[in-house]
Amino acid sequence: GNSVTQMEGPVTLSEEAFLTINCTYTATGYPSLFWYVQYPGEGLQLLLKATKADDKGSNKGFEATYRKETTSFHLEKGSVQVSDSAVYFCALNAGKSTFGDGTTLTVKP
Amino acid sequence: EAQVTQNPRYLITVTGKKLTVTCSQNMNHEYMSWYRQDPGLGLRQIYYSMNVEVTDKGDVPEGYKVSRKEKRNFPLILESPSPNQTSLYFCASSPSRQGHGELFFGEGSRLTVL
Repeated sequence: GNSVTQMEGPVTLSEEAFLTINCTYTATGYPSLFWYVQYPGEGLQLLLKATKADDKGSNKGFEATYRKETTSFHLEKGSVQVSDSAVYFCALNAGKSTFGDGTTLTVKP
Repeated sequence: EAQVTQNPRYLITVTGKKLTVTCSQNMNHEYMSWYRQDPGLGLRQIYYSMNVEVTDKGDVPEGYKVSRKEKRNFPLILESPSPNQTSLYFCASSPSRQGHGELFFGEGSRLTVL
């Protein structure tokens, strides 16, 4: 079956640091890939997505590139802010959704 | 406003007392799904539906039932809740029937079974 493996957390960074959260997947066919963010006490919301190989999703300074050859979709941001503190989920979607376990990010001033 | 609405948001109940968590979306989405979120286990899919009267099991369907009689509603039914069903539940919908598109999530329903 399909699976998503995310970098384990929690991750703690200082403001303006560079962020990478690793995500790799196994899937049959050609799934769409997503990063969702969950702020405290809220539901998940889409951060960015990519629907085919080599696509780059980007939003709010975050980026991730769909790498078919390495089956990866790593999340990056050049300079994090305190407001980026949240739980980040990598996911693939091919009818039956599959999520990673989530990575908790804390950004300190 | 486009949204997915779940009710109740919080519920404490006792073992064996049937309960229903409602989910409604106003975006005319064909695909709807239920998840549970548990510490250390991430988000796991319970059931999903690609169309009215069409439902399929996700990864953890045991102890749950769903129905999809109308496009906008997808209730989650716990016929005889047990303490291991204490969890945070999310309903989601997608404009893609196959579920390939973005998922829109409700705010969550926190259920405690004593």
